[in-house]
Amino acid sequence: AQSVTQLGSHVSVSEGALVLLRCNYSSSVPPYLFWYVQYPNQGLQLLLKYTSAATLVKGINGFEAEFKKSETSFHLTKPSAHMSDAAEYFCAVSDQPGANSKLTFGKGITLSVRP
Amino acid sequence: GAGVSQSPSNKVTEKGKDVELRCDPISGHTALYWYRQSLGQGLEFLIYFQGNSAPDKSGLPSDRFSAERTGGSVSTLTIQRTQQEDSAVYLCASSLLGYGYTFGSGTRLTVV
Repeated sequence: AQSVTQLGSHVSVSEGALVLLRCNYSSSVPPYLFWYVQYPNQGLQLLLKYTSAATLVKGINGFEAEFKKSETSFHLTKPSAHMSDAAEYFCAVSDQPGANSKLTFGKGITLSVRP
Repeated sequence: GAGVSQSPSNKVTEKGKDVELRCDPISGHTALYWYRQSLGQGLEFLIYFQGNSAPDKSGLPSDRFSAERTGGSVSTLTIQRTQQEDSAVYLCASSLLGYGYTFGSGTRLTVV
């Protein structure tokens, strides 16, 4: 069975500050990992995905995440927060490549950006 | 279509009534998923359709929930005898091999 833990439910940063959203996973097989973003009243949008290629994955809107097997982590970062980054962020894990398989999601983290 | 379309966007129903939620996936996407999003609970998997294979129904919370996918395209999620705990946002997603999910905007269901 797979699971994802996103510690805390809310992160607040100042505009221009580093964004760090944490994700730890549990999987009995090599995982495939994803970050999704959800803006208010919208569906989820894929930010980036790790599928066993490079451990540092770059996504849209300046976000990136690093897969660390030893720490079972896949934390999401962005060097400089923008007001438009305020949204809810979900980490997800699958035991199969990007493909047509069930994703297990974390509970999500709400990111607030202060002017 | 260009994206995954869900209807209605909002649904208010009385406890005990049946509701049907519709999902139009992206044309050509072979897989379709339903998730439920409750406040503070993240996304809960409900059901997954892949081509002509038998659906994975392992996430359906009770026998009041059912779903079908006609012609490998449109899907309908049906909730019978709705309860207040069914209130949530129901999200549909579709995917094509190797490219990850595309989500719809969801149906917000409120049971009063």
